[in-house]
Amino acid sequence: DTAVSQTPKYLVTQMGNDKSIKCEQNLGHDTMYWYKQDSKKFLKIMFSYNNKELIINETVPNRFSPKSPDKAHLNLHINSLELGDSAVYFCASSQGHDGETQYFGPGTRLLVL
Amino acid sequence: SQKIEQNSEALNIQEGKTATLTCNYTNYSPAYLQWYRQDPGRGPVFLLLIRENEKEKRKERLKVTFDTTLKQSLFHITASQPADSATYLCALGGDNYGQNFVFGPGTRLSVLP
Repeated sequence: DTAVSQTPKYLVTQMGNDKSIKCEQNLGHDTMYWYKQDSKKFLKIMFSYNNKELIINETVPNRFSPKSPDKAHLNLHINSLELGDSAVYFCASSQGHDGETQYFGPGTRLLVL
Repeated sequence: SQKIEQNSEALNIQEGKTATLTCNYTNYSPAYLQWYRQDPGRGPVFLLLIRENEKEKRKERLKVTFDTTLKQSLFHITASQPADSATYLCALGGDNYGQNFVFGPGTRLSVLP
């Protein structure tokens, strides 16, 4: 069974559209994350979510909004997509938040045309 | 601002030798440091965690050191194998919920048979 899964795996869309990426973890973890890995392979944290507390990275545009319907899911909504949003987006989860192992999903490759 | 550097973008070594990867950081006092492995097209996979009060950690053929005075971590793979070829990322953390969790740019290791 996949521990952290993401859908879709690939997403190609036009500039200005709104899209969502879904993430689910079956590890029973309390904390989930979204990361962006750009073309230079830098992996940057965007959000972390622990139970009902959302921690936002202030450098992330407010066009990006995470939504967590329950502890096992953390979805990422992106409004008004821009060319610069093209990247690979990774979801991850961990049991706690103090150095615990993060388990990453397979990534969603987003291409904005 | 926080800055993390990894010794080189790419490192080639001969099979059987010890690979040594370096992670240096500035403007940060991390509580812990982690090393991850990332294969092409996949999400990072956790390898080792070392906390600020620890000097060295080992796991099978892997060894990591953490020098908070030098602000440096060394990651060693002994008796390297072609299967060890991947990108290795260091990551620093200090605050709750990943708010200040930062990945380095990674080193692409190639173990030549």
